[in-house]
Amino acid sequence: KAGVTQTPRYLIKTRGQQVTLSCSPISGHRSVSWYQQTPGQGLQFLFEYFSETQRNKGNFPGRFSGRQFSNSRSEMNVSTLELGDSALYLCASSLSRDRAYGYTFGSGTRLTVV
Amino acid sequence: AQKITQTQPGMFVQEKEAVTLDCTYDTSDPSYGLFWYKQPSSGEMIFLIYQGSYDQQNATEGRYSLNFQKARKSANLVISASQLGDSAMYFCAMRSNRGSNYKLTFGKGTLLTVNP
Repeated sequence: KAGVTQTPRYLIKTRGQQVTLSCSPISGHRSVSWYQQTPGQGLQFLFEYFSETQRNKGNFPGRFSGRQFSNSRSEMNVSTLELGDSALYLCASSLSRDRAYGYTFGSGTRLTVV
Repeated sequence: AQKITQTQPGMFVQEKEAVTLDCTYDTSDPSYGLFWYKQPSSGEMIFLIYQGSYDQQNATEGRYSLNFQKARKSANLVISASQLGDSAMYFCAMRSNRGSNYKLTFGKGTLLTVNP
């Protein structure tokens, strides 16, 4: 069974540009969450989507946004990129929002802003 | 607010020996879940084990077991018979099982190195 697929794996962007990252969850999974991982701040929650609705949002500026499509695939967008946005962006999917289920992560998209 | 503390930035263990990775947590929620993830250099977060706050027994998954001491708010991961492939970053995480916020709160991680 296919895992969580994130594309692209690596991305280099220039300050001020915008970027869109994609996440395809495990088939049947309806919950998708996004996390940012940096050496300084560690892993931080960005947002969670369930059935095309944003359910929770972390403490990030409005430049960070996302959406989920009817097939559960999700995208996150970062506008007006800053050097500090360089990070590994991880997507996780879950079968449901049931507390007993764990999250399956993808391999991440490594974004470098120059 | 939830907080996870992993006090060991790095750990070394000999192959085939057991190792314990420490994790303490803080939360005011009566119902919560604790997770351990492994992150190899490739970046993917691999789920290892889950413990619910109301689970009566400590969780086990193959060579992984979770030493859950609720009164001390600790959830240490024990890896038995370490293998070279266990070398990776290990993250402890928690999530409230109450309300509608299902975000995971992670610790800073422990880098485990298994020596041959």
